[in-house]
Amino acid sequence: DAKTTQPPSMDCAEGRAANLPCNHSTISGNEYVYWYRQIHSQGPQYIIHGLKNNETNEMASLIITEDRKSSTLILPHATLRDTAVYYCIVRGNSGYSTLTFGKGTMLLVSP
Amino acid sequence: EADIYQTPRYLVIGTGKKITLECSQTMGHDKMYWYQQDPGMELHLIHYSYGVNSTEKGDLSSESTVSRIRTEHFPLTLESARPSHTSQYLCASSGANYNYGYTFGSGTRLTVV
Repeated sequence: DAKTTQPPSMDCAEGRAANLPCNHSTISGNEYVYWYRQIHSQGPQYIIHGLKNNETNEMASLIITEDRKSSTLILPHATLRDTAVYYCIVRGNSGYSTLTFGKGTMLLVSP
Repeated sequence: EADIYQTPRYLVIGTGKKITLECSQTMGHDKMYWYQQDPGMELHLIHYSYGVNSTEKGDLSSESTVSRIRTEHFPLTLESARPSHTSQYLCASSGANYNYGYTFGSGTRLTVV
């Protein structure tokens, strides 16, 4: 699976949009981009995933560049409860592919 | 509500003891996983299973063992606990439609003294 690069930390004011970047320049055509978050050492929580089209669900939006070498997770109105470590993971499309977690981005949402 | 359960939530145990960390899921998922995470560090996959009687070692070498006799149950065992085993152990599962990602349990925080 392709390697990802994320900033180690980011800050965001409560109520503002949080935009978390991820670089995955070696992604291959059949690999998906997944985002998870982990709040204070709880089990990671699935947020969203995508292949090449932008995706949106009740939690977040995922914007993938046309060349698929990078993506951005958007939390439209960040709250204090969104403070967490956010992981960007690239994973193959086989049902037997496992998830490999990197260091992620620590997002701190402040009042 | 379908979910994944890990017990105990916290465990403090002496060196040399045998321990089993329990993980059960009610979602009928065929795939299950164990990750190990030291405080402030990354998650590392130590074991996984694609179904009953299937077990595989993960990316990080571990002295623990696992078994998968029932679909819903994936326990992890340490035959002789050591202080180096002190860590958080997270169990996860995924279904046939793997695109919906993994569901994680709340974890077991193990301390070996």
